[in-house]
Amino acid sequence: ETGVTQTPRHLVMGMTNKKSLKCEQHLGHNAMYWYKQSAKKPLELMFVYSLEERVENNSVPSRFSPECPNSSHLFLHLHTLQPEDSALYLCASSQDRYNSPLHFGNGTRLTVT
Amino acid sequence: TQLLEQSPQFLSIQEGENLTVYCNSSSVFSSLQWYRQEPGEGPVLLVTVVTGGEVKKLKRLTFQFGDARKDSSLHITAAQPGDTGLYLCVSLDQGGSEKLVFGKGTKLTVNP
Repeated sequence: ETGVTQTPRHLVMGMTNKKSLKCEQHLGHNAMYWYKQSAKKPLELMFVYSLEERVENNSVPSRFSPECPNSSHLFLHLHTLQPEDSALYLCASSQDRYNSPLHFGNGTRLTVT
Repeated sequence: TQLLEQSPQFLSIQEGENLTVYCNSSSVFSSLQWYRQEPGEGPVLLVTVVTGGEVKKLKRLTFQFGDARKDSSLHITAAQPGDTGLYLCVSLDQGGSEKLVFGKGTKLTVNP
């Protein structure tokens, strides 16, 4: 298996639920990212991990909690989300933190009811 | 933070037509990437342009980087339904944040 794999592809959760999104990359990259894609907005960077260390947190609410246990895996833990958090969540990886192309997964379509 | 303006926002054409989409910024790009995101998938890198005036071709797609490195265009010749998707331009922010900046994209639909 190659590339960046995200699971699940679709997720519907209530506002009181706790769920996790998973991302796995098989490219040997050093940096991994979580992006949020909403309609009519540019991709919003949420978190960046470089060599398993979180290097960026762009004012993301605490109801989103990332975890990077090793260089190949990235999680986004979700709890007490709001309906406006419904979006496509994209994971990406790159060889280095910047100035190298991003490889995206196919995303998790999240709906918060 | 540098802003990238993409136009048009939406474009719907018939198979076989030609089209051009644009990416503009008030700041100079160090480099610019174009990605295509097909429905239900993540964005995929098409090309990176670095030098002012550079032209790169990828089959029916022609990418041009403006001489002043503040604008870029993507021209598609004889569009096919498989070209349908969201075209995103991406640049490294020149405002000092060292972040990648994304445009909102051009959503292209090619009808058979």
